[in-house]
Order: sequence, then structure tokens, then C-alpha cells
Amino acid sequence: NAGVMQNPRHLVRRRGQEARLRCSPMKGHSHVYWYRQLPEEGLKFMVYLQKENIIDESGMPKERFSAEFPKEGPSILRIQQVVRGDSAAYFCASSPGQGGSPLHFGNGTRLTVT
Amino acid sequence: DQQVKQNSPSLSVQEGRISILNCDYTNSMFDYFLWYKKYPAEGPTFLISISSIKDKNEDGRFTVFLNKSAKHLSLHIVPSQPGDSAVYFCAAAYGKLTFGQGTILTVHP
Repeated sequence: NAGVMQNPRHLVRRRGQEARLRCSPMKGHSHVYWYRQLPEEGLKFMVYLQKENIIDESGMPKERFSAEFPKEGPSILRIQQVVRGDSAAYFCASSPGQGGSPLHFGNGTRLTVT
Repeated sequence: DQQVKQNSPSLSVQEGRISILNCDYTNSMFDYFLWYKKYPAEGPTFLISISSIKDKNEDGRFTVFLNKSAKHLSLHIVPSQPGDSAVYFCAAAYGKLTFGQGTILTVHP
């Protein structure tokens, strides 16, 4: 009974490169959330997706960041032209449905931009 | 705009005593509250939750209290154990989850 799987666990990118973070939700979960944790800060909501739909992207930076959750395959968080300020831990969480269901988190991807 | 606040960055407790972690929120639309525990290099792990229609929920050593009039949430751990040492996040839900900044709990043997 696999939990939420995120890969890679660690990702190093140079400024200007692209970063792709993948998340496979728990079996039976169709709702995926992405959160970012900057050093010394709490978890900040980025985006909430269901299969093939973005439900809430109010926490996503307006530029360079995008997310998808296709019908088949994992959810992808994509950061184009990374900058040093993008260095953070990115956590994915999933749930079976909205409201009243706790989110189950993966172990995160730690992105370092050099 | 910090809608969920944990005003104590850290808490130190002796093993066997009670740990009380506090959380305040501002948005009266929140209808579900949760506590998560996080170890370094791991994702947050769900601990306990409470619906806005209740004022207390208990699960073993963990009890969550909700005071809606004060917009205040607390987590009680009793007795505290060294393995409880971690970062504790409170979270509030109205659709998406909004997290507090976290409190580092250290339980000394």
C-alpha cells in the first residue's frame, strides 16, 4: 500500500534551467496538492488539482511555474528558468476527496538552485 | 496575510509531562482543523483532526481542542515521549489546507 511518491528526492539545477518535480498520489486518490516550504517557514499552498483539471492555483507564482495532473501518470510541477529563490522543499499531498479528508504527504523534493 | 498562526516557534518539555501546542486562526470560514507532525527530511504526517462542529477530539495520547469563539486550536500530548520530538504544524481547511509556521517540540528524557 504505497503512500504518496515523489521523485526525485533531491534536485540540483543551475539558474535558468528547468525543474520538473513528479508526484504519484496514493492509490485511489484523485486529488493532488502541491506545497512549498522555504527555509525557516511553514508550508505554503501552491496548487490543487484533480485529474486533468486545475481547481485552485491561487498560490502559484504567476510566471515560470505550472502544474498538471494528466489522466494517466503522475502530477508534474514544472519550474522554468529557475532562480536561487526557488530553492525549497516541494511537497505533494493527495486525498480521496475534498473536505473532511486529511491530506497524505510525500517526503518531498528538495530543489537546490546553484 | 497569515490566516493560521503558531506563535511559539519552539517548546521544550520533560518526558512524561504534558505538551501543549497552540494555534490561532483568523478566517471564520475554516470548517476542519488538523495537526501534522514532521521529522527532518520527511513529509508531514497526519496526527489528529477536528471538525468545526466539535470542541474536542481524542486519540490515545493526543487530544485536540477547538475554541471557535476565540478562533483557537490546541494540541495536548500526554504523557510526552522523546519520540514526540518533531515539528508540529496546525492546519485549517476551507477547501485547501492552510498551515501555520510550525512549532518545534523537544521532549527531554
